[in-house]
Amino acid sequence: NAGVTQTPKFQVLKTGQSMTLQCAQDMNHEYMSWYRQDPGMGLRLIHYSVGAGITDQGEVPNGYNVSRSTTEDFPLRLLSAAPSQTSVYFCASSYKGDQPQHFGDGTRLSIL
Amino acid sequence: GQSLEQPSEVTAVEGAIVQINCTYQTSGFYGLSWYQQHDGGAPTFLSYNALDGLEETGRFSSFLSRSDSYGYLLLQELQMKDSASYFCAVLNTGGFKTIFGAGTRLFVKA
Repeated sequence: NAGVTQTPKFQVLKTGQSMTLQCAQDMNHEYMSWYRQDPGMGLRLIHYSVGAGITDQGEVPNGYNVSRSTTEDFPLRLLSAAPSQTSVYFCASSYKGDQPQHFGDGTRLSIL
Repeated sequence: GQSLEQPSEVTAVEGAIVQINCTYQTSGFYGLSWYQQHDGGAPTFLSYNALDGLEETGRFSSFLSRSDSYGYLLLQELQMKDSASYFCAVLNTGGFKTIFGAGTRLFVKA
């Protein structure tokens, strides 16, 4: 049972480039979310989804897009990377919104 | 708006008991969770309170008072491996948006 899988684990981008961070879970969880974590800070919610076809904005959605075409996958797209988006990105999933969230190992993203 | 406050750092001795407090301001409160994160790792779930009172899971307990918008995590019989960051997180109704606090860094000394 793989749990929550994030790819890539590390990525370096140039300002203005776009990319997609992948997140997949094999636990048949309805709820998925994306967070970013900056040094010494907590996790800030970017976008979340309560089921396939349903997404909503979190605390810091600007510059990011998401889609949820299947229960398993929840990719995060950076439209035009900026140095301020340098961070560690975590994807999480839970069976329902009020259940414990399971986190992936994170993607460490640097934007030059 | 929403906000959570927890101490930035706590230091305790191995074998001791430590309490990490969390106060929150939010609309549509549903529940309070606690997560642990070791350096370089991913957050892992510790406990969840939706109702007032104490929840106990082994050496860890969590308490919630909805009327005071306050909760705490209690760690007993501290071990060196408990040195980590601990985050409280509020779950809101209307979509179950989860908002995390900035975290408390716990240092356990021998």
